[in-house]
Amino acid sequence: DTAVSQTPKYLVTQMGNDKSIKCEQNLGHDTMYWYKQDSKKFLKIMFSYNNKELIINETVPNRFSPKSPDKAHLNLHINSLELGDSAVYFCASSQDKRGHTGELFFGEGSRLTVL
Amino acid sequence: GENVEQHPSTLSVQEGDSAVIKCTYSDSASNYFPWYKQELGKRPQLIIDIRSNVGEKKDQRIAVTLNKTAKHFSLHITETQPEDSAVYFCAASMDFGNEKLTFGTGTRLTIIP
Repeated sequence: DTAVSQTPKYLVTQMGNDKSIKCEQNLGHDTMYWYKQDSKKFLKIMFSYNNKELIINETVPNRFSPKSPDKAHLNLHINSLELGDSAVYFCASSQDKRGHTGELFFGEGSRLTVL
Repeated sequence: GENVEQHPSTLSVQEGDSAVIKCTYSDSASNYFPWYKQELGKRPQLIIDIRSNVGEKKDQRIAVTLNKTAKHFSLHITETQPEDSAVYFCAASMDFGNEKLTFGTGTRLTIIP
C-alpha cells in the first residue's frame, strides 16, 4: 500500500512523441506536485495543485500539461518530447495547514529517456 | 524569489566521523527549513526540519542548526555509518505550504568504511 505511486517507472521514447505519467496518493492530502530532477540531481518544482486547482506553474514549456481529475490524482502529459526532457519526474503530495508546512511525500520517480 | 545555495556538492568522510553540510538562503522571510535524503535510485525523504522559532534541533545522530541573522543553516551527522551515504538536499520556504519550497543543489555524501 504505497502512499504515493506513479507509473510508469521507466519510459523510453523517441523525440516528438507524446507521453503521460500518472500519479496517485492514498494519504488523503490536499496538495500534489510534479518535480523534475535532471542528471545533475537538481530538484525543481514544475506544478502544484491544491484540491484539483492549479496553484503553481513554474516556467515550464506549455508542452507539459498537468491534469488533476480529483485531489488524489495528478497526471502529467508531455507533448512533442525533446531530448532535454530526459529526467526523473517525481510526483509528491503534502498536507499543509495554514502557517505550517507539511512533509513532502514523494513517489518513486519516473525515469524518462528521450532518444 | 528565494535562492538556496548548498555546499559542498560532494563530501567523503570516514565511517564514524562527522559530516556537515551547509546552506545559505536569500529571502529573510523564509522560516521553514527541511532536509531531504535521497538514496541511490530512491525517492527523497524528509529526515529533519527546523522552523525559525528555534536555533537547533536534534534527532539521534542528526542535527540541524539555523542562524537567521546570517541566513544560513547546516546539517550535522555524527558517528556516520555506511547507510548515511546518499544525496542530501536542503530547502527553504515561508511556512505557508510547499508551493514555494526552494531546494538546494544537493550534496552527495559518501561514507568510507
